[in-house]
Amino acid sequence: EAQLVESGGGLVQPGGSLRLSCVGSGFTFSDYWMSWVRQAPGKGLEWVANINQDGSGEYYVDSVKGRFTISRDNAKSSLCLQMNSLRGEDTAVYYCARPNRVESRHSFSIWGQGTMVTVSS
Amino acid sequence: DIQMTQSPSSLSASVGDRVTITCRASQSISTYLNWYQQKPGKAPNLLIYRASSLQSGVPSRFSGSGSGTDFTLTISSLQPEDFATYYCQQSYNTPPTFGQGTNLEIK
Repeated sequence: EAQLVESGGGLVQPGGSLRLSCVGSGFTFSDYWMSWVRQAPGKGLEWVANINQDGSGEYYVDSVKGRFTISRDNAKSSLCLQMNSLRGEDTAVYYCARPNRVESRHSFSIWGQGTMVTVSS
Repeated sequence: DIQMTQSPSSLSASVGDRVTITCRASQSISTYLNWYQQKPGKAPNLLIYRASSLQSGVPSRFSGSGSGTDFTLTISSLQPEDFATYYCQQSYNTPPTFGQGTNLEIK
């Protein structure tokens, strides 16, 4: 069974940094685009970033460009999100997500359990 | 970015009812439209992809239709476990964007 498990969330001060990790199992990690999606408390879903299968292509939502970096290590079936210059509006549950098919980028059928990031002084 | 607008934002219904949720895109997205169900404290669950394809393991009472800019999610006969929040999402281009959600409550 395909599974994703995130870690690394926590409380950080504005302007600080945090690194989220996600480990996949039960599927060939290197076959899939991977994404991070977030959800602020009581709000809707917002896609944050994705990365292609070999890590050569990365895309970001405008609000995190220049502050967040997505990366992957296929040998370890892991996905990371390095978050710098954090702001209050980055407070959210962060999910890693995998599409339902190898050829798809954004139809997310496998999700992690989520990790909470709180940016506050 | 493509804007996705769902209606209604909230809906009260009873077990056994037929329910329809609509989603409109700000530009044509062909059939690159997905529907998710989310329950409190849980990750979203993909129900429908490419507007009308039922994701594996999803009950057949869920169906989707539409193309271009207008889409619908229909639940043919509501079950107690269907009370949740539903999101549409376009996968036509980057960034993929979600609707604001429809909260389906028990009447």
